[in-house]
Amino acid sequence: AQTVTQSQPEMSVQEAETVTLSCTYDTSESDYYLFWYKQPPSRQMILVIRQEAYKQQNATENRFSVNFQKAAKSFSLKISDSQLGDAAMYFCAYRNNNNAGNMLTFGGGTRLMVKP
Amino acid sequence: GAGVSQSPSNKVTEKGKDVELRCDPISGHTALYWYRQSLGQGLEFLIYFQGNSAPDKSGLPSDRFSAERTGGSVSTLTIQRTQQEDSAVYLCASSWGWTSYEQYFGPGTRLTVT
Repeated sequence: AQTVTQSQPEMSVQEAETVTLSCTYDTSESDYYLFWYKQPPSRQMILVIRQEAYKQQNATENRFSVNFQKAAKSFSLKISDSQLGDAAMYFCAYRNNNNAGNMLTFGGGTRLMVKP
Repeated sequence: GAGVSQSPSNKVTEKGKDVELRCDPISGHTALYWYRQSLGQGLEFLIYFQGNSAPDKSGLPSDRFSAERTGGSVSTLTIQRTQQEDSAVYLCASSWGWTSYEQYFGPGTRLTVT
């Protein structure tokens, strides 16, 4: 079974600064996806960024980028130029890429606070 | 277009009562997932539907939990004889199919068992 660990229950960042959220995972599979989801107080899970395991290049989406270290099974999220609207729970998630349903396995989450 | 919708938004029920939670996926999405988000267990997978295939029930915590999906669209999650530990937010997600990497989530139903 796969596991996902987020070691930082809470993080704080000053507006306009950069913050990095950590995630490690464990799997014996070679083909999988990794995701970061944002969950604001509205409860709606929003996909922030995804990474295919077979791609060596780190994914980037505007102010969001990842540092994917496959051998170390590490997948951190960097948020640049933090904005007040970035305050939320962030979940790291794993998904196999096979025909076994591909449900998401989530980490415990990191609450990000942004200080004005 | 319309996203995934769930109803009710909040549900308070007494211990021992049955509850039904509804999920309307995005039109055309063949895959549908239920997850549970609770303080003690975090976010966990419950059940998965893909087209007309038999559902993957491997995440259901007990036989008090069941789900069905009618006509390949709307899904209902039923919890019988609710217990206080069932209190959680129940999230539904849908996607184009099992190969689709993105799951689109609904706003969830917050269930409180008193």
